[in-house]
Amino acid sequence: DTAVSQTPKYLVTQMGNDKSIKCEQNLGHDTMYWYKQDSKKFLKIMFSYNNKELIINETVPNRFSPKSPDKAHLNLHINSLELGDSAVYFCASSQANALSTDTQYFGPGTRLTVL
Amino acid sequence: QKEVEQNSGPLSVPEGAIASLNCTYSDRVSQSFFWYRQYSGKSPELIMSIYSNGDKEDGRFTAQLNKASQYVSLLIRDSQPSDSATYLCAVNSGGSYIPTFGRGTSLIVHP
Repeated sequence: DTAVSQTPKYLVTQMGNDKSIKCEQNLGHDTMYWYKQDSKKFLKIMFSYNNKELIINETVPNRFSPKSPDKAHLNLHINSLELGDSAVYFCASSQANALSTDTQYFGPGTRLTVL
Repeated sequence: QKEVEQNSGPLSVPEGAIASLNCTYSDRVSQSFFWYRQYSGKSPELIMSIYSNGDKEDGRFTAQLNKASQYVSLLIRDSQPSDSATYLCAVNSGGSYIPTFGRGTSLIVHP
């Protein structure tokens, strides 16, 4: 059984379009994350959700918005896509609390290509 | 700003040798330390976690933590070509949900 799943795996779209990436985890974790990994492999945190509340929001463009319908899901919506948004986006989950964070479990990634 | 530094490599070692990967961090109150392995085109997966000073061994992997010097390292004994990957160091401070990742070190094990 897949612990953290993402759909779609590949996403090719035109500049200016709006797209969504879905993420689900079946580990019972209470914290989920979105990361962006660029061509140089740097893993940059974008968002983190804990118990359906946004607990940190890095300085990403407001064209990006996370949506969490429940503790097991964290979707990423991107409006007005730009060329620079092309990257691999990873969803992750962990059992974290205010004192510490545990191992991150990553989804398989979504490779976004903006043309 | 919290920083985690790694040599980007590539680090090239012959099969059977010991590969040594290093990571330094800036936040003195860091409490949790992780090594992830990422194969090309795949997602990161946990190799080792370490929380206290000293060594922690798991099979061919040994994590070493020195909080006074603010570094954490990963040793891979008897390196195999299948160990060729990018190794990401991640550090987390108490009170934070968000680990800080280094840029990763590319390891190449050649036969």
